[in-house]
Amino acid sequence: EERLLESGGRLVQPGGSLRLTCEASGFSFSRHWMNWVRQAPGKGPEWVANIRQDGGDKYYVDSVRGRFFISRDNANNSLFLELNSLRVDDTAVYYCARDPSDAVSAGSADLWGQGTLVTVSS
Amino acid sequence: IHITQSPSSLSASVGDRVTITCRTTSNVKVYLNWYQQKPGRAPDLLIYGASNLQRGVPSRFSANGSTTHFTLTIRDLQPGDSATYYCQHCFNIPPWTFGQGTKIEIK
Repeated sequence: EERLLESGGRLVQPGGSLRLTCEASGFSFSRHWMNWVRQAPGKGPEWVANIRQDGGDKYYVDSVRGRFFISRDNANNSLFLELNSLRVDDTAVYYCARDPSDAVSAGSADLWGQGTLVTVSS
Repeated sequence: IHITQSPSSLSASVGDRVTITCRTTSNVKVYLNWYQQKPGRAPDLLIYGASNLQRGVPSRFSANGSTTHFTLTIRDLQPGDSATYYCQHCFNIPPWTFGQGTKIEIK
């Protein structure tokens, strides 16, 4: 069974840091672009960042660029998101999501984890 | 690129046909996807590339459009279709944006 499992979310104070992990199983992780998408309470999803199969290209939404850093470990089928200088408005459920990475459906997200909650509050 | 999705909510009966619209501020060709999200769950991919049905999605769902105007249509509405639906563009390089969502309630 194809699966994504996020972990690492917790309560953190403004200005703090956190590292989220997404463990992939049941598919060839190294063949796919991977995404982080977040969803604040009661709001719609917001695409946050993605990373190429080999980790060479990385993209970020403007609001997190320079504060968040995406990385991956293909040997261990893992995706990471390092969150720094956290702000109250970073509070959200953070999902990792797989890009099909084929010619037709690239740019979509066809497999999602269950999400991990990051709460930024003093 | 910003997306305007409408309506923000709608109420319809079992068996009805409903249509949701997304408009983008720039030409995204056919790089537009649709998702369904139920409370407490991650979004599920319904449609990719503006009109392609994701594997396992019922044929009651259909979508079309290009450039800046896109629609998702659900015919023969079922109780299980109660959810919030989002469009998302994936044109060119990221960042990619989602629409604001359309919440469908079944009467």
